[in-house]
Amino acid sequence: TQLLEQSPQFLSIQEGENLTVYCNSSSVFSSLQWYRQEPGEGPVLLVTVVTGGEVKKLKRLTFQFGDARKDSSLHITAAQPGDTGLYLCAGAQWDTGNQFYFGTGTSLTVIP
Amino acid sequence: EAGVAQSPRYKIIEKRQSVAFWCNPISGHATLYWYQQILGQGPKLLIQFQNNGVVDDSQLPKDRFSAERLKGVDSTLKIQPAKLEDSAVYLCASSLDYRRTPRLLNTEAFFGQGTRLTVV
Repeated sequence: TQLLEQSPQFLSIQEGENLTVYCNSSSVFSSLQWYRQEPGEGPVLLVTVVTGGEVKKLKRLTFQFGDARKDSSLHITAAQPGDTGLYLCAGAQWDTGNQFYFGTGTSLTVIP
Repeated sequence: EAGVAQSPRYKIIEKRQSVAFWCNPISGHATLYWYQQILGQGPKLLIQFQNNGVVDDSQLPKDRFSAERLKGVDSTLKIQPAKLEDSAVYLCASSLDYRRTPRLLNTEAFFGQGTRLTVV
């Protein structure tokens, strides 16, 4: 089992603030995904990063894959109440069957 | 494009009873995953199918859990007998055949809405 640790576990911020969520592992992954999950729903894919050092931007969200492909970060600028949800990172290893191993999750609450 | 379909959405059973969940993946997706998600935690992989074969079931509690994908499309996950600690959301996901598609496309898994199981 590949362990992905996310931090912080819980985050409550005011609307307009910036935040960063971290996803760390001792294992190397072929790719890393970030998902957002709302209560009662399945996770929805936000982004996939595959190259060490890669940075992807999705509107106010910036995702970075570590150079060694063991860690990743998600930065949200000017958070909005609609960003509230459970953020999950998931690592995949293509050479062993493409299993997706999920992180422990970060629960974000953005207060209006 | 239709998404991953799961049923039922909710299920309440007593401990020691049996329960089954059904999943219909996205058309053309050869890989199917079952995950268990306990409230507030990340999903844990229970079993992964490639067509009708098992790729990984190392974290499936085989004394009480079973899963099948007989025709390589729909899948069922069964728990018999259920325990209190089985209360969780059971998520089904699907993706393209990781062996036959460009590596980048391998990496996207699409999830159903899940089945929330409560064992009392």
